[in-house]
Amino acid sequence: GQSLEQPSEVTAVEGAIVQINCTYQTSGFYGLSWYQQHDGGAPTFLSYNALDGLEETGRFSSFLSRSDSYGYLLLQELQMKDSASYFCAVRDQGGGKLIFGQGTELSVKP
Amino acid sequence: EAGVAQSPRYKIIEKRQSVAFWCNPISGHATLYWYQQILGQGPKLLIQFQNNGVVDDSQLPKDRFSAERLKGVDSTLKIQPAKLEDSAVYLCASSHVTGGQETQYFGPGTRLLVL
Repeated sequence: GQSLEQPSEVTAVEGAIVQINCTYQTSGFYGLSWYQQHDGGAPTFLSYNALDGLEETGRFSSFLSRSDSYGYLLLQELQMKDSASYFCAVRDQGGGKLIFGQGTELSVKP
Repeated sequence: EAGVAQSPRYKIIEKRQSVAFWCNPISGHATLYWYQQILGQGPKLLIQFQNNGVVDDSQLPKDRFSAERLKGVDSTLKIQPAKLEDSAVYLCASSHVTGGQETQYFGPGTRLLVL
């Protein structure tokens, strides 16, 4: 079966850097995605890694190591508005459904 | 570009009642998904449509849940009869593929409370 593990919550201060880890177990692997969800809002797509390495998009970066079945989301220069839940997700087969982790609740303090 | 629309935004019903949710995907998106998100958990796929055909409904409780996507655009998800454990947010998403990568866009969801 498919399973993803990520920390349930992380706290950091404004301006800091935070890393949210995700480990996965899948029968097949077709990329690791990250989504952000503010309280009461819809999940929004942040990033996608199909190959090993780092992908950077502004203050957010995402890393993947397929040999370690591991990835992380890195958030730099944290802002209060970054307080939200962050989900990693894998696709179980090409064109197949996304399997989401339980989510990491990030709290950014002043 | 308009996003994924869902209605109603909130619904409170009693157990054993029926409820229906509606979704209008982003124009031109062939793939539509319904997810169930229980508080404190990640979204769980209920059903995936490609145009008006079902691609995956393996996690849909078919004894009480049904969904359709007539004409390959709007979709409805129905629960009949509802149980207490159906209390959740029901998210609709549609997707497109660019450069071999699929991106899903989620609607605001319908928050269902079953009493």
